[in-house]
Amino acid sequence: EAQVTQNPRYLITVTGKKLTVTCSQNMNHEYMSWYRQDPGLGLRQIYYSMNVEVTDKGDVPEGYKVSRKEKRNFPLILESPSPNQTSLYFCASSPARAQPQHFGDGTRLSIL
Amino acid sequence: SQKIEQNSEALNIQEGKTATLTCNYTNYSPAYLQWYRQDPGRGPVFLLLIRENEKEKRKERLKVTFDTTLKQSLFHITASQPADSATYLCALDNNAGNMLTFGGGTRLMVKP
Repeated sequence: EAQVTQNPRYLITVTGKKLTVTCSQNMNHEYMSWYRQDPGLGLRQIYYSMNVEVTDKGDVPEGYKVSRKEKRNFPLILESPSPNQTSLYFCASSPARAQPQHFGDGTRLSIL
Repeated sequence: SQKIEQNSEALNIQEGKTATLTCNYTNYSPAYLQWYRQDPGRGPVFLLLIRENEKEKRKERLKVTFDTTLKQSLFHITASQPADSATYLCALDNNAGNMLTFGGGTRLMVKP
């Protein structure tokens, strides 16, 4: 089954404790991206990657890092999480940059 | 500044009627526009993509129009059903085509 898998689905943690949210897709897609979704602000793109070793900032990249060492994986790293990063996060992938995106089921992060 | 506007108020309609959702944008010149459906706690699911040189696109009970002069897209669901109740998001590419920006979404409630 074609899917985008995120882990963990839920996480409560504390300020400053580094965390990684993993994202993996099994569709051999070139394009992957991370979004955060907040009430009243909608979905905002954090980072995207057009291929292996090619990443770029989206609209809200501050406080986040990503890497794309393999085509299928695109982890989101919060080096020093802060409460304003409490949000619902989605990973997505598509065959190419202009194609419809397949989304994961989301990761709900709470940073205390 | 760039802006994508969807009606933030919920749209309530009776089962069997046609639902019409609006997406207006400013300071974009999108090559294409996409519509997604999002259920509570789930990731968005792609529905339709329409290109700038297409006036209308249909898929089963769904129809999308794209007016680049008015800078507007309309999304129609005919013969609506309670199962169509969800939030519907429109998304535009940026001028470089490497990022997708989402509107805030419109919540549709179809009553039996």
